[in-house]
Amino acid sequence: NAGVTQTPKFQVLKTGQSMTLQCAQDMNHNSMYWYRQDPGMGLRLIYYSASEGTTDKGEVPNGYNVSRLNKREFSLRLESAAPSQTSVYFCASSPGIYNEQFFGPGTRLTVL
Amino acid sequence: GESVGLHLPTLSVQEGDNSIINCAYSNSASDYFIWYKQESGKGPQFIIDIRSNMDKRQGQRVTVLLNKTVKHLSLQIAATQPGDSAVYFCAETPKNSGGYQKVTFGTGTKLQVIP
Repeated sequence: NAGVTQTPKFQVLKTGQSMTLQCAQDMNHNSMYWYRQDPGMGLRLIYYSASEGTTDKGEVPNGYNVSRLNKREFSLRLESAAPSQTSVYFCASSPGIYNEQFFGPGTRLTVL
Repeated sequence: GESVGLHLPTLSVQEGDNSIINCAYSNSASDYFIWYKQESGKGPQFIIDIRSNMDKRQGQRVTVLLNKTVKHLSLQIAATQPGDSAVYFCAETPKNSGGYQKVTFGTGTKLQVIP
């Protein structure tokens, strides 16, 4: 039981490049989330998926897109990376949208 | 307690002593609260939760206290150990009225355990 896994762990991009962050959970959770964590700020929600087949914007969705590929997987895509997207990205899952969330190990992204 | 800013507040505690970490929340409609622990380079890890119909909840070596009157939450760690060194932050969720309820995460307090 691996919990929530994320790939890659580290990534460096140039401005304008695109990439997809992958996330998978093996806990049969319905809800999944993408957050970014910046120094001095709390976790900020980018997008979430309350259940398979649905996605919704969170607090800071601009510049990102998501796909809930199936119940296990929820990917985050940066179409044209910007330096302001330099951050640590966490994926999380929960049994439902009103439960504690289980977090992955994070992806540290640097955009030059 | 927690605050917004580039530098996290730090609590230094001698190994074996008790630790108390505080969190002030802002939304009087918040109904569900969680404490998370985040070790360096890792994702947040659930420690303990409490709902607004309770004042206190105990886990293994941890206790969460909720004071709704002053909107204050605290995490008490008994007999603090070196492995407790991490950033701790609280999260608050408004009452479930159907659909996603925005979870607000605090910025955290860094706990340093002195051996």
